[in-house]
Amino acid sequence: KNEVEQSPQNLTAQEGEFITINCSYSVGISALHWLQQHPGGGIVSLFMLSSGKKKHGRLIATINIQEKHSSLHITASHPRDSAVYICAVRGLGAQKLVFGQGTRLTINP
Amino acid sequence: DGGITQSPKYLFRKEGQNVTLSCEQNLNHDAMYWYRQDPGQGLRLIYYSQIVNDFQKGDIAEGYSVSREKKESFPLTVTSAQKNPTAFYLCATGTDDPYTQYFGPGTRLTVL
Repeated sequence: KNEVEQSPQNLTAQEGEFITINCSYSVGISALHWLQQHPGGGIVSLFMLSSGKKKHGRLIATINIQEKHSSLHITASHPRDSAVYICAVRGLGAQKLVFGQGTRLTINP
Repeated sequence: DGGITQSPKYLFRKEGQNVTLSCEQNLNHDAMYWYRQDPGQGLRLIYYSQIVNDFQKGDIAEGYSVSREKKESFPLTVTSAQKNPTAFYLCATGTDDPYTQYFGPGTRLTVL
């Protein structure tokens, strides 16, 4: 079993729908990251969380440390949101990230 | 223009040849990382370096080598010992406070 599991692996939705991507992890962490990878391959960091909730525009990320679970939500989804969304965790005292396998999101117009 | 440069974007090599992927940064970050990405899998850490002249093996270091002679540069050599080298390779830099990683555009290596 991977240390970081994402669900679903693939998600297709219509423009305007509310999107939820889930991430579960099995180790104690100091932080969790959500990343976005566009079709060209470049990766950008969306959020870093150690507790609670963060919001940026139409993106919201939450984390429940006790349940070892995080969610990434996208409100009013748009075709430009189509990308692979990656969850990554930094273990306690670790100097590296462990990555989930990614969720491929496709938003159709 | 600040950032991380990986070149070339696409690289083709014949089986049995060593190939070196470049990664250059002008962000003045101490830490640098090399990842491999295969379809349907998460990023896997090959090597990382937290300071010049020092580096550590990641989870899949076999068949790869690195050097860190300068802060700005962290080249990755894919040797002929790597059994399945065709993949997308990403270089990243990192900061400690807050702990964040910044990714380069990647190099797609195809071994024929």
